[in-house]
Amino acid sequence: SYVLTQPPSVSVAPGQTARITCGGNNLGDKSVHWYQQKPGQAPVLVVYDDRDRPSGIPERFSGSNSGTTATLTISRVEAGDEADYYCQVWDSSSDHYVFGTGTKVTVL
Amino acid sequence: EVQLVESGGGLVKPGGSLRLSCVASGFNFRTHHMNWVRQAPGKGLEWVSSINSRSTYIYDADSVKGRFTISRDDAKNSLYLHMKSLRAEDTAVYYCARQALATGNFDLWGQGTLVIVSS
Repeated sequence: SYVLTQPPSVSVAPGQTARITCGGNNLGDKSVHWYQQKPGQAPVLVVYDDRDRPSGIPERFSGSNSGTTATLTISRVEAGDEADYYCQVWDSSSDHYVFGTGTKVTVL
Repeated sequence: EVQLVESGGGLVKPGGSLRLSCVASGFNFRTHHMNWVRQAPGKGLEWVSSINSRSTYIYDADSVKGRFTISRDDAKNSLYLHMKSLRAEDTAVYYCARQALATGNFDLWGQGTLVIVSS
């Protein structure tokens, strides 16, 4: 089955840039979506189709995808960005959706 | 208001059954593919099942195949998850999620309903 691997944690100081990676076989051939989940809340879509933002999501959130790695970049990090982040793809070979292992972002 | 509201969770014994419901409002439910995603306590997100807008395609995670059945009633703007032969490892918050039109992302989520499988 298809696997998406994320670092368990990323720490960043306020105002700096956080980069969260998502690795998978030939990931660049797929569309990657990213979700933010704060404690006790449902996930929220922050980036879709590799690099597009839903309405209401700040421009500070951006994405890229190439080769075997997709990256969610959070610029000018704020305390409110502290959350778990998950990548997601559709694996057409198995007709399954797959979520990444998740990354906890801590704002120092 | 555009929202999804789940219900039906609770405590059930191993081997038991449960039906989760998700009622949609504020958008044209019948045009969207719909999904169930779960999250075990302290764990990550796990996709469970998907159903397309016409109920002609259903996909299930291997972990629930043969035990869980997704269905929808467009007249009632409702999505369901019928769960049987429940196991301790099915304990999780179950989220209903709307799939965005013409793309594979989940752009609207409910607040979730907790299922606890324990004797």
